[in-house]
Amino acid sequence: GNSVTQMEGPVTLSEEAFLTINCTYTATGYPSLFWYVQYPGEGLQLLLKATKADDKGSNKGFEATYRKETTSFHLEKGSVQVSDSAVYFCALTRDYGGSQGNLIFGKGTKLSVKP
Amino acid sequence: EAGVVQSPRYKIIEKKQPVAFWCNPISGHNTLYWYLQNLGQGPELLIRYENEEAVDDSQLPKDRFSAERLKGVDSTLKIQPAELGDSAVYLCASKGWGNTQYFGPGTRLTVL
Repeated sequence: GNSVTQMEGPVTLSEEAFLTINCTYTATGYPSLFWYVQYPGEGLQLLLKATKADDKGSNKGFEATYRKETTSFHLEKGSVQVSDSAVYFCALTRDYGGSQGNLIFGKGTKLSVKP
Repeated sequence: EAGVVQSPRYKIIEKKQPVAFWCNPISGHNTLYWYLQNLGQGPELLIRYENEEAVDDSQLPKDRFSAERLKGVDSTLKIQPAELGDSAVYLCASKGWGNTQYFGPGTRLTVL
């Protein structure tokens, strides 16, 4: 079945450090891939997405590239800020079939950025 | 544009009591989802509506959970009776054209 695997957290970084959060997926066909972010006490917000192989999603300095050959969608940011502290979720949807549009999430990776 | 609205934000109940959660999706969004998020986990789908029709409720524990979406707009998720293991965050999301889901802030349920 379809699944998403994220690197275990928590991840603790100093401000201005480079961030990578690994995400790999298992899916039939060509899923769309997403990164959502959840700040403390809030709901999930879409951070970025990619809908086909080799697409790069980007937002707020974060980037992720849809790599079909490695079934990966790793999240990166060149210089993190304290305000980036949150939980990050990788997710996929299938765009066909009975479960069309249903999001399948990874377990989340908690990021803490220290000043 | 207003986002997805959920209420209440927090609910504390005794086990075996009933509880209900309400969701108002983004205006014009025909697809509505209810997700369950356990502590330290990613959300898991409970039910998906297309307008007023529940098109995927395979993960909804129907012995105690029920949902409705009258008139294809607002939705209510109910648990009766609640069990200790139901303590979690219940998230509502909606989707219009395209494949992006927009989430509400969630309802945090504590069952004592």
